[in-house]
Amino acid sequence: EAQVTQNPRYLITVTGKKLTVTCSQNMNHEYMSWYRQDPGLGLRQIYYSMNVEVTDKGDVPEGYKVSRKEKRNFPLILESPSPNQTSLYFCASSWGGTGREFFGPGTRLTVL
Amino acid sequence: QQQVKQSPQSLIVQKGGISIINCAYENTAFDYFPWYQQFPGKGPALLIAIRPDVSEKKEGRFTISFNKSAKQFSLHIMDSQPGDSATYFCAASSIPGYSTLTFGKGTMLLVSP
Repeated sequence: EAQVTQNPRYLITVTGKKLTVTCSQNMNHEYMSWYRQDPGLGLRQIYYSMNVEVTDKGDVPEGYKVSRKEKRNFPLILESPSPNQTSLYFCASSWGGTGREFFGPGTRLTVL
Repeated sequence: QQQVKQSPQSLIVQKGGISIINCAYENTAFDYFPWYQQFPGKGPALLIAIRPDVSEKKEGRFTISFNKSAKQFSLHIMDSQPGDSATYFCAASSIPGYSTLTFGKGTMLLVSP
């Protein structure tokens, strides 16, 4: 089954404790991205990657890191999480140039 | 900053009625306008999309109307059903070759039985 998977689905952590949210897709998509969804703000892009070893900032990159060492994986790293990073996070992937993104199921993160 | 403005924030429609959600954009370089549907606890999923070379696209009960001169596009859901209750996001993209989507803030649709 073609899909985007994210782990963990739910995470409660404390301020300053480094964490990684994994994202993997099995559709051989070149393009992957991370979004956060907050009430009243919609979906805002954090980072995106056009291919392996190619990443760029989205609209809200502060406090996040990403890496793209393999085509299928695109982890999101929060090196020192803060409460304002409490949010619902989505990973997405697509074939380059289409805009037709396939979204993962989401990761609900709470930073205390 | 590129923006897509979406309205209304929430919408209640009776079963069988027409749901209409509107979006407006500023960047004339946008050339792809998708709508995503999101059910509670799920990720958004592509519903229907349009390019600016056509003024309307219909897929079943869902229709996108596009007005290039006004820089507006809208989603119409005909014969709305309770199963259509979800959050709808409009979006736009413009980067040639690779796309990065700019999303509207979403509309929460409730179709009452």
